[in-house]
Amino acid sequence: AQTVTQSQPEMSVQEAETVTLSCTYDTSESDYYLFWYKQPPSRQMILVIRQEAYKQQNATENRFSVNFQKAAKSFSLKISDSQLGDAAMYFCAYSSLSVGGTSYGKLTFGQGTILTVHP
Amino acid sequence: KAGVTQTPRYLIKTRGQQVTLSCSPISGHRSVSWYQQTPGQGLQFLFEYFSETQRNKGNFPGRFSGRQFSNSRSEMNVSTLELGDSALYLCASSLLPGQDNSPLHFGNGTRLTVT
Repeated sequence: AQTVTQSQPEMSVQEAETVTLSCTYDTSESDYYLFWYKQPPSRQMILVIRQEAYKQQNATENRFSVNFQKAAKSFSLKISDSQLGDAAMYFCAYSSLSVGGTSYGKLTFGQGTILTVHP
Repeated sequence: KAGVTQTPRYLIKTRGQQVTLSCSPISGHRSVSWYQQTPGQGLQFLFEYFSETQRNKGNFPGRFSGRQFSNSRSEMNVSTLELGDSALYLCASSLLPGQDNSPLHFGNGTRLTVT
């Protein structure tokens, strides 16, 4: 079974600064997806960024980027130019691929990191 | 386009009762997944449905069940409620099963409190 570990229960950052959230995972699979989701107080989970394991290039989405180290099974999220609206719980998540090559809708989540942004 | 709609938003039940939660996916989405979120256990996968068939199931007791209708709407049912079932239940939909160019879109959840 796959496991996802987020070792930072809480992080804080000053507005406009950069912060990195850590995530490690354990799997015996070679192909999979990794995700970062954001959950603000509204409770809705919002996809921040996605990485396919077969892609060596790190994914980026505007101010959000990842550092994907497949051999180390590490998947960190960097938020640049932090904004007050970035304050939320951030979850790292893993998704397997089925035998047929398509992925499952099942995500395995880490415990989450609460990010506070100070003005 | 309307997002994933979960009803009700809040629910209070007593031990031993049963409860049904509803999820309407984004229009055109055919796959629905359910998750339980608690402070102690975090986010845990319950089940995934596609074309009215359960495609994947998490490690939960048989008291937890679900179904999907022909219009892709889904319901989950919890029978003989226990205090530990108090949680936020999240529903997510996607165009097709899995994540291939079809990421999950989550609803705002149903907060279930068991007393």
